[in-house]
Amino acid sequence: DIQMTQSPATLSASVGDRVTITCRASQSISVWLAWYQQKPGKAPKLLIHKASNLVSGVPSRFSGSGSGTEFTLTISSLQPDDFATYYCQQHDNYKTFGQGTKVEIK
Amino acid sequence: QVQLHESGPGLVELSGTLSLTCGVSGGSINNDYWWSWVRQSPGEGLEWIGEVNLAEITNYNPPFKSRVSISVDKSKNQFSLKVTSVTAADTAFYYCVRGSHEGFLDFWGQGTRVIVSS
Repeated sequence: DIQMTQSPATLSASVGDRVTITCRASQSISVWLAWYQQKPGKAPKLLIHKASNLVSGVPSRFSGSGSGTEFTLTISSLQPDDFATYYCQQHDNYKTFGQGTKVEIK
Repeated sequence: QVQLHESGPGLVELSGTLSLTCGVSGGSINNDYWWSWVRQSPGEGLEWIGEVNLAEITNYNPPFKSRVSISVDKSKNQFSLKVTSVTAADTAFYYCVRGSHEGFLDFWGQGTRVIVSS
């Protein structure tokens, strides 16, 4: 099975910062990667699919890149609403999630 | 916009069977999508359990395959999850989710908490 590893586990940042989260797959998954945002007590929300396709309605400060085994989620200018936990998910062979990256206020 | 809503017992006895149903509104269950169950626990994070389509074709995550059954009822516009022989490790929030044919999960239910009690 395909393992997904995210880093860092926790990220402390300030409003306006550029933030980057990395997700690595244990084997190549081409571009079959999605990113989700989850806030406490809520279900995950899809942000990006197929590595870099932004979901309609998601702010353009979010972007995704990568292919093969290494992927990144970037928030170009962190906003107060962005403090949350972010998960990657491969959808190449079944579905597997990363362990999450919590973005907290510095 | 499609909405999903989980229902079922919040408490299940050890060694018993966990049964949840997901009602879909704002759209019909159809073959344009797969209909998944995902769970989340503090110890294991997010785990995809499996999925079903309208043709009743199922795919299960291998660790769950021996204990899980997912079915669909088009007449009621809902799909269901059964997990047998539950243990404390099955205590989690359970989400029903719509998935694309590519495999990403675009609409999630609010989730329902299930506790396995002894």
